[in-house]
Amino acid sequence: EDKVVQSPLSLVVHEGDTVTLNCSYEVTNFRSLLWYKQEKKAPTFLFMLTSSGIEKKSGRLSSILDKKELFSILNITATQTGDSAVYLCAVSNYGGATNKLIFGTGTLLAVQP
Amino acid sequence: GAVVSQHPSRVICKSGTSVKIECRSLDFQATTMFWYRQFPKQSLMLMATSNEGSKATYEQGVEKDKFLINHASLTLSTLTVTSAHPEDSSFYICSARDLTTYEQYFGPGTRLTVT
Repeated sequence: EDKVVQSPLSLVVHEGDTVTLNCSYEVTNFRSLLWYKQEKKAPTFLFMLTSSGIEKKSGRLSSILDKKELFSILNITATQTGDSAVYLCAVSNYGGATNKLIFGTGTLLAVQP
Repeated sequence: GAVVSQHPSRVICKSGTSVKIECRSLDFQATTMFWYRQFPKQSLMLMATSNEGSKATYEQGVEKDKFLINHASLTLSTLTVTSAHPEDSSFYICSARDLTTYEQYFGPGTRLTVT
């Protein structure tokens, strides 16, 4: 059965800290891994990773994928209170016409001032 | 950028009534749309895959007669929750897959409360 596991489930840090969120997966016909940030509404897209070892970066956020060990990490440096959210990891597989996303349980990040 | 809208954003209905939620891709065409449900403090759970012009594919455990899906055009899919019960109260999110790029874009979600 395909599954995506995120850790930790929740995390509390102080502003300025650096955090690392983890996502491991067991999925047949892997296509890509995606990170989303979810605040009060629907998820907003952060990164899509398809190749191992290539870091994607956007401001204070960065992510990398290891297809051999089947995991990805999302790093946030110099955290701010606005980073508080649920971070979701999802994996897309080659499922014929459907190509659906399989979501992890998410990591709830709380950044305290 | 690609935009997906959902309507309504929030709805309160009485037990036993039906509620229709619309998902529209505003600036791209989507042969495939996905419907998710999210309970508080839980992740997104895929309910069904909606394919334009054909029947939806439902995930295991999702009642197709209760959650009716129609995908009549390349920009619109609807989810109708029939004979709603309080346990159907949830956050329903759709996503649309761009026909040309295969990227998925999420709608803003619909908060359903059944009293």
